[in-house]
Amino acid sequence: GAVVSQHPSRVICKSGTSVKIECRSLDFQATTMFWYRQFPKQSLMLMATSNEGSKATYEQGVEKDKFLINHASLTLSTLTVTSAHPEDSSFYICSAHHVGQGALGGYTFGSGTRLTVV
Amino acid sequence: GEDVEQSLFLSVREGDSSVINCTYTDSSSTYLYWYKQEPGAGLQLLTYIFSNMDMKQDQRLTVLLNKKDKHLSLRIADTQTGDSAIYFCAERGSSASKIIFGSGTRLSIRP
Repeated sequence: GAVVSQHPSRVICKSGTSVKIECRSLDFQATTMFWYRQFPKQSLMLMATSNEGSKATYEQGVEKDKFLINHASLTLSTLTVTSAHPEDSSFYICSAHHVGQGALGGYTFGSGTRLTVV
Repeated sequence: GEDVEQSLFLSVREGDSSVINCTYTDSSSTYLYWYKQEPGAGLQLLTYIFSNMDMKQDQRLTVLLNKKDKHLSLRIADTQTGDSAIYFCAERGSSASKIIFGSGTRLSIRP
């Protein structure tokens, strides 16, 4: 079945530094990937939609200069949290859309990245 | 805009059936999903239903859709301790590829 690998699973960084999170589709091509953020005991909030070879589309209220998204290939999207602050601490999850499967279970999620900014 | 709502908690006895309810507002929803999230993990797609279906059954899982009332439910038969998790209802509209999630229902199992 379709597998999405997300790394790292956990990261602790100092305030002011940047952190990169990778999302890879291992056995399929993903023209579209999504980045979500989940606060403790809350739902997933869509941050941005990333299309291969083009600029990401950010949801309202998400700072595109702070959360840099790159989708340079059909199997890799990255999210970089720049100048991280403690309020950026959260669980970040990516999702990849399978080419050609429409919505027929065609979204596979990564295992998530727990970011803690100290 | 689109909105998906669920109750936050559900507690059931082991062996009983669990019913998790969800309501949504987008009348153009094409697909509705149920995802399971275990602690510290990503999301696992449990099942989905197309908007022109009323019911879908898959082993212990039964999904009911009332499109008129925009109400979706997930029934888990013979609930086991391994079913403890957060269950997210999600919908996808016809004009967008993004999925909108509900707040999640935390299912706990008591002996």
